Amino acid sequence: EPEVTQTPSHQVTQMGQEVILRCVPISNHLYFYWYRQILGQKVEFLVSFYNNEISEKSEIFDDQFSVERPDGSNFTLKIRSTKLEDSAMYFCASSATAFSNQPQHFGDGTRLSIL
Amino acid sequence: GNSVTQMEGPVTLSEEAFLTINCTYTATGYPSLFWYVQYPGEGLQLLLKATKADDKGSNKGFEATYRKETTSFHLEKGSVQVSDSAVYFCALSGVDSSYKLIFGSGTRLLVRP
Repeated sequence: EPEVTQTPSHQVTQMGQEVILRCVPISNHLYFYWYRQILGQKVEFLVSFYNNEISEKSEIFDDQFSVERPDGSNFTLKIRSTKLEDSAMYFCASSATAFSNQPQHFGDGTRLSIL
Repeated sequence: GNSVTQMEGPVTLSEEAFLTINCTYTATGYPSLFWYVQYPGEGLQLLLKATKADDKGSNKGFEATYRKETTSFHLEKGSVQVSDSAVYFCALSGVDSSYKLIFGSGTRLLVRP
């Protein structure tokens, strides 16, 4: 069964540094998402992406965050200047359509630790 | 605002026991409802879904019925196995012209042999 893959599985970064989290969505999917889960808290939506542009973003997704689809397979989340509170598990997801009854398929996540 | 509330965990059961994990939601309009499961060290996997009132989603012996009148989507399984030990997330989508998933806080299930 096709999978969403995320790399790295764990990223440790000094506060203030830039970090890029990478995702390879399922190949025929067109809609891409990032979510995060701070330890002990809910999984929260960050951003959705379609047709090479952001279709929706949350209040969390401020100017420090950006997303990109640099080629036909990768989907990246960049945090420009990391803060301690960015420490979380980041999940990438993809779906074939944006209809609410269509499931989003998730990767295994990247655990980001900011020191 | 739109939200999902799940029962607090952990839920600890013996193998072959009956499982219920409660989930209620608050939403404008008519969302689609989902249960996702997260096994240790893995990502979120779709377990089942229901897209309209009175629909029943089912998979791997798990069931949940979309109850509009009580705004609930409780997860049930008749006989749990040790391999069902995981964190279960209830979620909704499709409200306010948005397709993002809104998750509950998750319920950890531990099944003992």
